[in-house]
Amino acid sequence: EPEVTQTPSHQVTQMGQEVILRCVPISNHLYFYWYRQILGQKVEFLVSFYNNEISEKSEIFDDQFSVERPDGSNFTLKIRSTKLEDSAMYFCASSEAVLQKPSYEQYFGPGTRLTVT
Amino acid sequence: AQSVAQPEDQVNVAEGNPLTVKCTYSVSGNPYLFWYVQYPNRGLQFLLKYITGDNLVKGSYGFEAEFNKSQTSFHLKKPSALVSDSALYFCAVRLGGYNKLIFGAGTRLAVHP
Repeated sequence: EPEVTQTPSHQVTQMGQEVILRCVPISNHLYFYWYRQILGQKVEFLVSFYNNEISEKSEIFDDQFSVERPDGSNFTLKIRSTKLEDSAMYFCASSEAVLQKPSYEQYFGPGTRLTVT
Repeated sequence: AQSVAQPEDQVNVAEGNPLTVKCTYSVSGNPYLFWYVQYPNRGLQFLLKYITGDNLVKGSYGFEAEFNKSQTSFHLKKPSALVSDSALYFCAVRLGGYNKLIFGAGTRLAVHP
């Protein structure tokens, strides 16, 4: 069964450093998402991406965040200058396109645990 | 503001007994409702969804959920729990026209032998 994969599983970085979290969505999916879960809190939507453009973003997704689909298989989340409060589990997800709209289900990867020290 | 509530942090049930994991939502408009399950070191796995139609929806692993519009609830159920059902369960809602899922806080289900 196809799965969303994410690398690395755990990333430790120092405050102020840039990090790139990587995701390989399911191969025939065209919508991509990032969510995060701060320890003990809810899973929160960050951004959705379709056709090489951000289609929706939350207020969390400020200028220090960016997303990119650098090739036909990877989808990345970059945090330019990490802060302590960026420490969280980051989940990538993808969904099919049905008549140019996202299908209802989103399929999630296992997550990358980001620790900012 | 749109929100999802899972009122129980943990649900304990004996193997073979029926289980219910509760979810209520507060949204404007018609919601699309979802249940996901998370096992240790795994991502969120899709279980089932309600979009429209029959209020009782069936999903993976014998789970089902009942949509109740008047009570704004979408409780997850299973007639006979297995120890392997022990995991973290998330209810989520999506509004038509938007991509994002809004999640509840999660409920940990513990099924005891």
